Amino acid sequence: EVQLVESGGGLVEPGGSLRLSCAASGFTFSDFTMIWIRQTPGAGLAWVSSITSGGDYVDYAQSLKGRFTVSRDNARNAVYLQMNRLRGEDTGVYYCARGPRFGLNSFSPYWGPGILVSVSS
Amino acid sequence: EIVLTQSPGTLSLSPGERAALSCRASQAVSTAYFAWYQQKPGQAPRLLISGASNRAPNIPDRFGVSGSGTDFTLAIDGLEPEDFAVYYCQQSGDSPPTFGQGTRVEIK
Repeated sequence: EVQLVESGGGLVEPGGSLRLSCAASGFTFSDFTMIWIRQTPGAGLAWVSSITSGGDYVDYAQSLKGRFTVSRDNARNAVYLQMNRLRGEDTGVYYCARGPRFGLNSFSPYWGPGILVSVSS
Repeated sequence: EIVLTQSPGTLSLSPGERAALSCRASQAVSTAYFAWYQQKPGQAPRLLISGASNRAPNIPDRFGVSGSGTDFTLAIDGLEPEDFAVYYCQQSGDSPPTFGQGTRVEIK
């Protein structure tokens, strides 16, 4: 059974940083692109970032480039999202999702339960 | 980026009725890269249908899709109590992938 579980969220002050993790199981992790999606009160569901199976190619939502960094550790079956210089509008639930075998993006049949990130002073 | 506009914002229906949810794209989208999700409170979105009419596992056949180009429709024939939720469309054929703002199907 495919399982994705996010961790690392919480309350952080504006300008602060958080590192989200997503632990994967139930499939050959190194075969699939992994995707981060967030759901915020202001923008609804929005794609954040994708990283290909080997980590060779990454992509980010234009508005997040320079602040967010995605990475993965195929030996640990985990994908990460480093979020810096956080703003109030980054508040929301962050999901990791399994992407395609090839390419950066597709629909996502498997999602984690999500983790809440709150940016507030 | 491709903007997806869903209508109506809220659909108030009774169990057993048919629901028709619309998603309009600002540019043509390949059907192969179009999908619909269902989300219930406190849960992650769940993939319902992708592509021309590929239902995800365990999705009943009362869920169906139609449309192409810029206009897509999700139909639910005979609403069951568990179908009252928020539904999102998504395109992943053009970068960045984008979602609609959602249609809430509520009990009338």
